[in-house]
Amino acid sequence: DAGVIQSPRHEVTEMGQEVTLRCKPISGHDYLFWYRQTMMRGLELLIYFNNNVPIDDSGMPEDRFSAKMPNASFSTLKIQPSEPRDSAVYFCASSSLTNEQFFGPGTRLTVL
Amino acid sequence: QKEVEQDPGPLSVPEGAIVSLNCTYSNSAFQYFMWYRQYSRKGPELLMYTYSSGNKEDGRFTAQVDKSSKYISLFIRDSQPSDSATYLCAMSRYTGNQFYFGTGTSLTVIP
Repeated sequence: DAGVIQSPRHEVTEMGQEVTLRCKPISGHDYLFWYRQTMMRGLELLIYFNNNVPIDDSGMPEDRFSAKMPNASFSTLKIQPSEPRDSAVYFCASSSLTNEQFFGPGTRLTVL
Repeated sequence: QKEVEQDPGPLSVPEGAIVSLNCTYSNSAFQYFMWYRQYSRKGPELLMYTYSSGNKEDGRFTAQVDKSSKYISLFIRDSQPSDSATYLCAMSRYTGNQFYFGTGTSLTVIP
């Protein structure tokens, strides 16, 4: 298996633009997690899905953030409109019923 | 108070040293305890996984959990320059539940 796949790997955009981050989990995994990592706050859970259904989105910072999982092999995290304080590395992770979450390589987002 | 506290370091040791990394937590419901290693500009990868209290050893790595003190540790013996990375502790209440991560400790092993 190729592991968790994220795209794009780097994104540079201007304030106010819409940003869409994409994730393909490992086949057969039924949990998918979106995290944000910054130096100041570390790794923060934004939202997680079980069998494509959002279970906990309490970590989503505000209404500008939204996430979807239309099927078992694809998820998106959207920021609209983007702001400079959204600059961070965004990770997607997936797991089965074990306690090992497999992380993707991350998307490094810079909002100017 | 954060659910999980971890000293961010940075920690710098000579090659061959024993390294001790620690986390404390506040939620007594945590049962699963993990250590992740994250190299620069990479995603975290699972290093050690422990259920409940006790020790677990894997090569040069030993994970310890003391639930009575709400304290977990990762020991690295004979540290190598390739161990230079950020180490994150993580814990959860039950299988499939969300993880609570520490902020990570940056480790540098000097040749």
